[in-house]
Amino acid sequence: DQQVKQNSPSLSVQEGRISILNCDYTNSMFDYFLWYKKYPAEGPTFLISISSIKDKNEDGRFTVFLNKSAKHLSLHIVPSQPGDSAVYFCAASARNAGNNRKLIWGLGTSLAVNP
Amino acid sequence: NAGVMQNPRHLVRRRGQEARLRCSPMKGHSHVYWYRQLPEEGLKFMVYLQKENIIDESGMPKERFSAEFPKEGPSILRIQQVVRGDSAAYFCASSPPLSYSGNTIYFGEGSWLTVV
Repeated sequence: DQQVKQNSPSLSVQEGRISILNCDYTNSMFDYFLWYKKYPAEGPTFLISISSIKDKNEDGRFTVFLNKSAKHLSLHIVPSQPGDSAVYFCAASARNAGNNRKLIWGLGTSLAVNP
Repeated sequence: NAGVMQNPRHLVRRRGQEARLRCSPMKGHSHVYWYRQLPEEGLKFMVYLQKENIIDESGMPKERFSAEFPKEGPSILRIQQVVRGDSAAYFCASSPPLSYSGNTIYFGEGSWLTVV
């Protein structure tokens, strides 16, 4: 049961244009969402996060939008640069009965930004 | 301000040997997580530890795999009697103590295990 879904395994965008990566979730208890970027042979790097009390968070070229009613979030990268080419993972967490948190991960979307 | 440190970066083991992967969390972080990425697959959660305490090991295979995070020293992921299917990238992550608003975890560079 995939609670966090990234339905597009890959995305190709022209340099300078906007990249939009999507993520859907099923668990309404999720209240914290994160995006990570991963280059081959490296560990994932934290990009940006958003709490469920917000619907938008912006950091430079990266903006995350959260639509709680649709259980959907998206990462916008504008303008896209060739160095943004990587695999992007969406993750979500909820506080459990033991007062702990565990991140639930999507399978990733591979972004290619073409010069 | 060192990040999460993992070693070795690359490890080759013959079938039946033991593999030990080490992880030192970021300074000030008391929580450690281990993930595995098999070839052509996404990140799979394995185990979540605090010092001297396993919080969640729901992603750990039932046999041959164990993890610890002692009071002193790094966290260790131990794989006994390795098989070819254990060949993967193993990522460690750490985070500060739990906060109400949620945890951001920070990853190390990974340890690549190859079983021959």
